[in-house]
Amino acid sequence: EDKVVQSPLSLVVHEGDTVTLNCSYEVTNFRSLLWYKQEKKAPTFLFMLTSSGIEKKSGRLSSILDKKELFSILNITATQTGDSAVYLCAVVVAGGSYIPTFGRGTSLIVHP
Amino acid sequence: DSGVTQTPKHLITATGQRVTLRCSPRSGDLSVYWYQQSLDQGLQFLIQYYNGEERAKGNILERFSAQQFPDLHSELNLSSLELGDSALYFCASSVVSGGQSFFGPGTRLTVL
Repeated sequence: EDKVVQSPLSLVVHEGDTVTLNCSYEVTNFRSLLWYKQEKKAPTFLFMLTSSGIEKKSGRLSSILDKKELFSILNITATQTGDSAVYLCAVVVAGGSYIPTFGRGTSLIVHP
Repeated sequence: DSGVTQTPKHLITATGQRVTLRCSPRSGDLSVYWYQQSLDQGLQFLIQYYNGEERAKGNILERFSAQQFPDLHSELNLSSLELGDSALYFCASSVVSGGQSFFGPGTRLTVL
């Protein structure tokens, strides 16, 4: 059974801190890994990673994938209160229907 | 705004009842996914439709069914509702399976 594990489950930091969120996976026939940010409502897409070692970056957020060690990290630098959210990681396997398997998420709270 | 719409936003009903949730995907997206999100289970994949046909099934109960219509909107039918069915139900759409998905705002179902 495909498995996606995120850590930590929750994190409380102050504005300006840098955080690293982890996503490890055990799947057969990996295709891609997706990161989403979920505030009060729907998850919004952040990154899609398919190749090892290539960093994806968007402003203060960045993410990288290690296909050998089967994990990805999401970094947020100079955190702001608006970064408070649940961050979800999902893995898509090749073959079949390409349905994402989601982790339980990391809840990030940024205090002013 | 992701371009995916869901109605209604909130639904309160009683055990044993039947409800229908509606989703309109982004223009041009052929693939529609339904997810259930509860506090203890995280985001669980229920079912996927692609261009009117069922493509994949996840942890969907037999009391639940879905369909996608020729105009590509989709409906999720939940019957014989139980207290444990209370959750957020998300619809997501994508151009192709396994790519970046765009989530709708969700329907919060409360079963009393």
